[in-house]
Amino acid sequence: GAGVSQSPRYKVAKRGQDVALRCDPISGHVSLFWYQQALGQGPEFLTYFQNEAQLDKSGLPSDRFFAERPEGSVSTLKIQRTQQEDSAVYLCASSPRTGQGAGEQFFGPGTRLTVL
Amino acid sequence: AQKITQTQPGMFVQEKEAVTLDCTYDTSDPSYGLFWYKQPSSGEMIFLIYQGSYDQQNATEGRYSLNFQKARKSANLVISASQLGDSAMYFCAMREASGAGSYQLTFGKGTKLSVIP
Repeated sequence: GAGVSQSPRYKVAKRGQDVALRCDPISGHVSLFWYQQALGQGPEFLTYFQNEAQLDKSGLPSDRFFAERPEGSVSTLKIQRTQQEDSAVYLCASSPRTGQGAGEQFFGPGTRLTVL
Repeated sequence: AQKITQTQPGMFVQEKEAVTLDCTYDTSDPSYGLFWYKQPSSGEMIFLIYQGSYDQQNATEGRYSLNFQKARKSANLVISASQLGDSAMYFCAMREASGAGSYQLTFGKGTKLSVIP
């Protein structure tokens, strides 16, 4: 069956460029998470959507990071004026339910962003 | 303080032997969940096993079992009969209530497991 997909898989950007990373969650999944994984580290939470509502954006590192999920399915993470410290793998995860009973999160393959 | 601590940056195990990957956690929330994920070199996070804080029995999934010691706040992963394909990064993660209700996962730094033929 179709899992979580992300595109592009790899992105190279020059410092100062804007980038947009796409996530297609599993169909029907209510919850969608974005995580950032720096080299050699575990993933760190960025933001959470329940359907189209962004309920938690406490992990976004700066106002250059923006995420949306306008129709409650596909989500886009946008990074404006990229900096070298933004280089990381960006992981998207979805879950069929919400709250503590949300069960496991299903992860996509990630987008590896390199900022030169 | 670290919420999830994995003290073993790297581990080696002989093929067909069992191995234990350590994980300790810190939370004041009485309701939480503990997860283990595998991340091969391809980068995708693969769910392995889940333990709820109120579960009375240790979770098991095939060759994976979770040694849950609530009083010690530890949730070690045991892999039995290691296979070459088990070579990967392993992450322990915790889900607890957040103020915004997102119940996101907090991950440890991971343990790199290498299975030796």
